[in-house]
Amino acid sequence: NAGVTQTPKFQVLKTGQSMTLQCAQDMNHNSMYWYRQDPGMGLRLIYYSASEGTTDKGEVPNGYNVSRLNKREFSLRLESAAPSQTSVYFCASRPGQSNYGYTFGSGTRLTVV
Amino acid sequence: DAKTTQPTSMDCAEGRAANLPCNHSTISGNEYVYWYRQIHSQGPQYIIHGLKNNETNEMASLIITEDRKSSTLILPHATLRDTAVYYCIVRAPSGYSTLTFGKGTMLLVSP
Repeated sequence: NAGVTQTPKFQVLKTGQSMTLQCAQDMNHNSMYWYRQDPGMGLRLIYYSASEGTTDKGEVPNGYNVSRLNKREFSLRLESAAPSQTSVYFCASRPGQSNYGYTFGSGTRLTVV
Repeated sequence: DAKTTQPTSMDCAEGRAANLPCNHSTISGNEYVYWYRQIHSQGPQYIIHGLKNNETNEMASLIITEDRKSSTLILPHATLRDTAVYYCIVRAPSGYSTLTFGKGTMLLVSP
């Protein structure tokens, strides 16, 4: 049982380049989330998808887009990367409307130069 | 979601109990207390949650005061692998509300 899988684990981009971070879960969870974590700070929500076919902005959505491809997959796209987007990105999922805890992936470490 | 206050850091000797406090004086009646931890360079890991009764699972125990304004996470026999940042989060279970992570408590378990 893999849980939440994120790819790639590491990435270096040049300013202005684009890329997509992939996330997939095999737990049949309805809700999926993208967070970023900067050094010395807690996690901040970028976007989330309450269920397949829906997406909503979180606390820091600017510069990002998301796609809920199907129930399993939720991707995060940087159209034109900026140094301020250097961060560790975490994907998470949970069953949905419930008090269950979240399951997080192991993260993607992105550096924009 | 209610705001939480945690100490910045704590130390614990290996094999001893680690007691991590959290204040959440503005908690609402339907809000749960959740605990997560983040070991260096890894994603956050769910530990335990509760509403008003004390809870225990294979990882930890959660003690919530009767007025629900504070709680304590207890790791009964801390190991070196428990060194991590521990986050106390308060949120309501309804809807699709998300987690709001603060800065947490850095727990250092020493030999």
